[in-house]
Amino acid sequence: GAGVSQSPSNKVTEKGKDVELRCDPISGHTALYWYRQSLGQGLEFLIYFQGNSAPDKSGLPSDRFSAERTGGSVSTLTIQRTQQEDSAVYLCASSLGGWGTEAFFGQGTRLTVV
Amino acid sequence: SQQGEEDPQALSIQEGENATMNCSYKTSINNLQWYRQNSGRGLVHLILIRSNEREKHSGRLRVTLDTSKKSSSLLITASRAADTASYFCATADTGRRALTFGSGTRLQVQP
Repeated sequence: GAGVSQSPSNKVTEKGKDVELRCDPISGHTALYWYRQSLGQGLEFLIYFQGNSAPDKSGLPSDRFSAERTGGSVSTLTIQRTQQEDSAVYLCASSLGGWGTEAFFGQGTRLTVV
Repeated sequence: SQQGEEDPQALSIQEGENATMNCSYKTSINNLQWYRQNSGRGLVHLILIRSNEREKHSGRLRVTLDTSKKSSSLLITASRAADTASYFCATADTGRRALTFGSGTRLQVQP
């Protein structure tokens, strides 16, 4: 595709339910990042993929959060047993060269846990 | 924790004026980038400055980098109402793979 695509755009879920957020990076981009942004705040790093491996998952806030990437392309971020504090916009980005190169962002998934 | 801290947190100016935003960081970096965000959604890359560069221009944007002070500034000249957005600095740290973002400056340009 022309840009980074994220789905769904918006997700409302009940506390305790699991959710899956999807990211389709730009074709050929080897690096993929997940960030989280709470209302009016900066971006909080969650996890970084280079190809299918995740050399840096230091930002995942708890073991309820996990992510995978298959075929060096699509990535899924899964949040188990969602809590209200998980409500945020989840942003995915991809880049050509990985470390420190220009990142291209999707429009994000706004997650609301009620 | 946030690596970069932008200053000011919010800025309101009149159309035609210049807007200056500052970013401070703490670690050694490979490069520093500025991004723009409209309406709390996707970010758009504006400009990248490498650690061995001191100044860079792109259209109405001017970025400076002072690695001795661990700080950068973004200047938008002749601002327009369409420049209204949040602006973030992001550092590519030498010891980390992913970009680290600051907390952002919310710029409001009054027509």
